[in-house]
Formats: sequence, C-alpha cells, structure tokens
Amino acid sequence: AQKITQTQPGMFVQEKEAVTLDCTYDTSDPSYGLFWYKQPSSGEMIFLIYQGSYDQQNATEGRYSLNFQKARKSANLVISASQLGDSAMYFCAMREIQAGGTSYGKLTFGQGTILTVHP
Amino acid sequence: DAGVTQSPTHLIKTRGQQVTLRCSPKSGHDTVSWYQQALGQGPQFIFQYYEEEERQRGNFPDRFSGHQFPNYSSELNVNALLLGDSALYLCASSLWGLPVQKLFFGSGTQLSVL
Repeated sequence: AQKITQTQPGMFVQEKEAVTLDCTYDTSDPSYGLFWYKQPSSGEMIFLIYQGSYDQQNATEGRYSLNFQKARKSANLVISASQLGDSAMYFCAMREIQAGGTSYGKLTFGQGTILTVHP
Repeated sequence: DAGVTQSPTHLIKTRGQQVTLRCSPKSGHDTVSWYQQALGQGPQFIFQYYEEEERQRGNFPDRFSGHQFPNYSSELNVNALLLGDSALYLCASSLWGLPVQKLFFGSGTQLSVL
C-alpha cells in the first residue's frame, strides 16, 4: 500500500524568501509518480509539480522545484521567492504508474502542510 | 475552456438521508474520480469511473455509489448519511490511458450532516 507522510502541520515564511515543505513516501510499486497540489481556502486543488520515479532530474515549474531523493523516499517541495498568494494548504500525493507508462489509479494524499507567508 | 464543475457547492442534510452530488469533467476528459476530504485531512479516494463503469474503488462502504453518464459527467450518491460523512467532496477529471498526468479538480461540494 502506498503512504505519504507530511510531518509539518504548519510552516511560516517571510515574503520573498524560500521555503521547503517536506514529504516522504512509502510504496512497493517500482514505478510511481509524485505530485504536489495547492489548496487555497476556496477548496480547489491546484496542480503545482510532478516527478516520475524514473526521472533523472528534479522537476521544476517556475518558482516551484521538487527535491527528489529516491533512496530516502523523499520528495520535498521548494518554493522560491514566496508571495502572499502562496498562503494555502499544500498536499503531496503519489500515484502508481502502470506498465506501459500509463496511470489510471487513485492518488494517495498526505495530511497536508499549511503555509503562511508573512509580509 | 470550462474546468471541472461541481454542484451544489454546499449542502446540509440530516442523518439517515440520501444525497446526490454532481460533477462535469473538464472539456475533453473522459475519466472522473471522487475524493472525500474531512476537515484538516488530505483527500481520500472513493472511486473512479471510465466508460460508465467503476474502475477502481477505495476503502468506502457500499453506501457510497456512483454513476457516469454518456457525456462523461458523474454523480456520487451517499445513502443512510452518518455524521462522519460531513466533508468536502472533490471531483477530479482526466483522460484515460495517457501517460501519467495531473488530475484536474473541481472546487468541491461541502456536505454537512446534522
């Protein structure tokens, strides 16, 4: 069974500084994908970044980067130059990759980390 | 391009009642998944529909059932509501069979059971 652990219930960061949100995972699947989603108070889950288990380089999407350490089973999200609009709940999630590279199945989410950006 | 839309946005029911939540996937998507998110928790997978069939199911009782229509929209039905069913119900859509991809989520239906 897949499991995602986010050990930081809440994090605070000053505007324009960088922040790292931790995520560790556990799975017996040889192929998997790791996702980070942002959930503002409106409730919608917003996709931020994706990392495949066989990707050689860490994923980056604008101000977001994923620090992927496969041996440690960690997939930390780094947000650079924090903005007030980054204040939200952040979820790490994992999805099994089927043979052939497709993925049909469920996302397994962590408990989330509430990020507060101070001006 | 319309994203994932869910209705209603809020709903209040009493214990023992039945409820139906609705979801229209993002334009061009054919697969719908439903998640339950209790307050302060991460979303939990309920089930997934493709070609009008349930393809995968999470650890939820039979009180939770669903349906997908030919236009790919979907309904989530919950019978014999319990207080513990109070949660945000999220619908997500995607395309079946493509390489690993992100899910697109709606803003959810907030269900309160009194």
